[in-house]
Amino acid sequence: QQQVKQSPQSLIVQKGGISIINCAYENTAFDYFPWYQQFPGKGPALLIAIRPDVSEKKEGRFTISFNKSAKQFSLHIMDSQPGDSATYFCAASRGRDDKIIFGKGTRLHILP
Amino acid sequence: EPEVTQTPSHQVTQMGQEVILRCVPISNHLYFYWYRQILGQKVEFLVSFYNNEISEKSEIFDDQFSVERPDGSNFTLKIRSTKLEDSAMYFCASSRLAGVGEQYFGPGTRLTVT
Repeated sequence: QQQVKQSPQSLIVQKGGISIINCAYENTAFDYFPWYQQFPGKGPALLIAIRPDVSEKKEGRFTISFNKSAKQFSLHIMDSQPGDSATYFCAASRGRDDKIIFGKGTRLHILP
Repeated sequence: EPEVTQTPSHQVTQMGQEVILRCVPISNHLYFYWYRQILGQKVEFLVSFYNNEISEKSEIFDDQFSVERPDGSNFTLKIRSTKLEDSAMYFCASSRLAGVGEQYFGPGTRLTVT
């Protein structure tokens, strides 16, 4: 019940295309859903996050879509660029229990 | 921009030896965390720390692990007797508020146990 399931494991997208990564969770106590971006040799960096009281959040080319009833959320990267090539982790946490539960990650490669 | 720093970047140790991984969290942050990432796998929570005591620990964080904030700036993770399976990237994170989830991660220490 503490798991966050992420797919796909890897993704190849043409430059300018839309990258979509999906996640699902079981624990309805989760109330914060961040996405982290990780480049090789670096720590995870917070990219964008959403709370379950909204269905969508957009920051630049990055959009989170959130479906509370289905317990699913996804990251969309519009106009994908080679510099977006990285590993992306979806995650979840609870308000009073602030450890972050990470998905297994998606290795994204944007073709130039 | 303030950032979390970690030293060393890479530590090689022999099985059974003690290691101390060091972190300097962002200066006005109050909550501190350690996570680890075994090569190719997901990031896993180890422990959270607030007000000089452990807030929560995972089942991974057994008696071989300990954390300490020895002064106003450093936050350390000690592994008393390392095992081969402790080989991983260890990330320190900090946040200003708990329960908000906005944790900022350091670059990690790669621990290799031989």
